[in-house]
Amino acid sequence: NAGVTQTPKFQVLKTGQSMTLQCAQDMNHEYMSWYRQDPGMGLRLIHYSVGAGITDQGEVPNGYNVSRSTTEDFPLRLLSAAPSQTSVYFCASSYKSGSELFFGEGSRLTVL
Amino acid sequence: GEDVEQSLFLSVREGDSSVINCTYTDSSSTYLYWYKQEPGAGLQLLTYIFSNMDMKQDQRLTVLLNKKDKHLSLRIADTQTGDSAIYFCAVITGTASKLTFGTGTRLQVTL
Repeated sequence: NAGVTQTPKFQVLKTGQSMTLQCAQDMNHEYMSWYRQDPGMGLRLIHYSVGAGITDQGEVPNGYNVSRSTTEDFPLRLLSAAPSQTSVYFCASSYKSGSELFFGEGSRLTVL
Repeated sequence: GEDVEQSLFLSVREGDSSVINCTYTDSSSTYLYWYKQEPGAGLQLLTYIFSNMDMKQDQRLTVLLNKKDKHLSLRIADTQTGDSAIYFCAVITGTASKLTFGTGTRLQVTL
């Protein structure tokens, strides 16, 4: 049972490049979310989804897009990377919104 | 929106008790969680408490909730070096789709 799988684990981008962080879960969870973790700021919610075909914005959505075409996958797209998006990104899922969140191991992104 | 505050750092000696504190602003918070993050890893749920409880004990962990003061604490008894990690408080409010996390407290356990 893999749980929540994120790829890649590390990525370096130049300003203006685009990329997609992948997230997949095999627990048949309805709820999936993306957080970014920055020193001294805890985890901030970027986008979330309560089911396939449904997404919504979190606290810091600007510069990021998401889609949820299947229950298993919830990719996060950076449209035009900026140095302010240098961070560690975590995908998390839960059976339903409000229940225990299961986290991936994180993706460390550096934007030069 | 909800604001969740924690102190950034705590250092304790092995064998002592650790107390990690958290304050929040939304009095309608329903579920309150403690997550642990070890170096280079994601977060794992340690324990949680419902807002209608004052205390919850789970082996070495004790969670205390003071709803009047909107204060949550996590006590780790007989702290071990393996407890060294970042501990996050997180709360759910009326809009149950989102958790709001605190800034995290880095616990350092010294010999």
